[in-house]
Amino acid sequence: EAGVAQSPRYKIIEKRQSVAFWCNPISGHATLYWYQQILGQGPKLLIQFQNNGVVDDSQLPKDRFSAERLKGVDSTLKIQPAKLEDSAVYLCASSWDGLATIYEQYFGPGTRLTVT
Amino acid sequence: AQSVAQPEDQVNVAEGNPLTVKCTYSVSGNPYLFWYVQYPNRGLQFLLKYITGDNLVKGSYGFEAEFNKSQTSFHLKKPSALVSDSALYFCAVRDISNTDKLIFGTGTRLQVFP
Repeated sequence: EAGVAQSPRYKIIEKRQSVAFWCNPISGHATLYWYQQILGQGPKLLIQFQNNGVVDDSQLPKDRFSAERLKGVDSTLKIQPAKLEDSAVYLCASSWDGLATIYEQYFGPGTRLTVT
Repeated sequence: AQSVAQPEDQVNVAEGNPLTVKCTYSVSGNPYLFWYVQYPNRGLQFLLKYITGDNLVKGSYGFEAEFNKSQTSFHLKKPSALVSDSALYFCAVRDISNTDKLIFGTGTRLQVFP
């Protein structure tokens, strides 16, 4: 079974630039998550999709972050404009269904973003 | 609010010795608890979960965790550590107060010495 795919693996940008991350979840997984993991901290949920719809985006900085999940499969997370404090690893995860956290989440390798 | 605490930033253990990585939780209602491991430059991997039932949960790679309701703890254990177990370990709890998201602890780095 193929795992969660993410790209790019690494990205370095200057502050005020924009950046986009891509995630392809495990086939058949209805729920998709984007997490931000700052060095020395645990992952923090940014946004959770179930199929095409947003379940939770309460911790997404909506003035600069946006995310979409077209056709209930792939997802993109965008930051525009980036700030220094956005430097982190961005993790994508997926799981089976809408009550997803009772099931384990499967994580991709992450995208390490450095904002200079 | 739901939360988990991992009181140790790092745990050091000699290969072959038993290991324990500590986690305590604070939830309203029944806790759903998870352990994940993160190897360098890789995403998190699921180890085990407690939903209900037996207080001793067995997971991947020989790990197990003991759920203790009276002490609100969910410590990760392994009878005999391997050097390859060296990694970052995260405890997490399901946040039932909102939209069922996972709340992660700050992580504990496990270092197993030969």
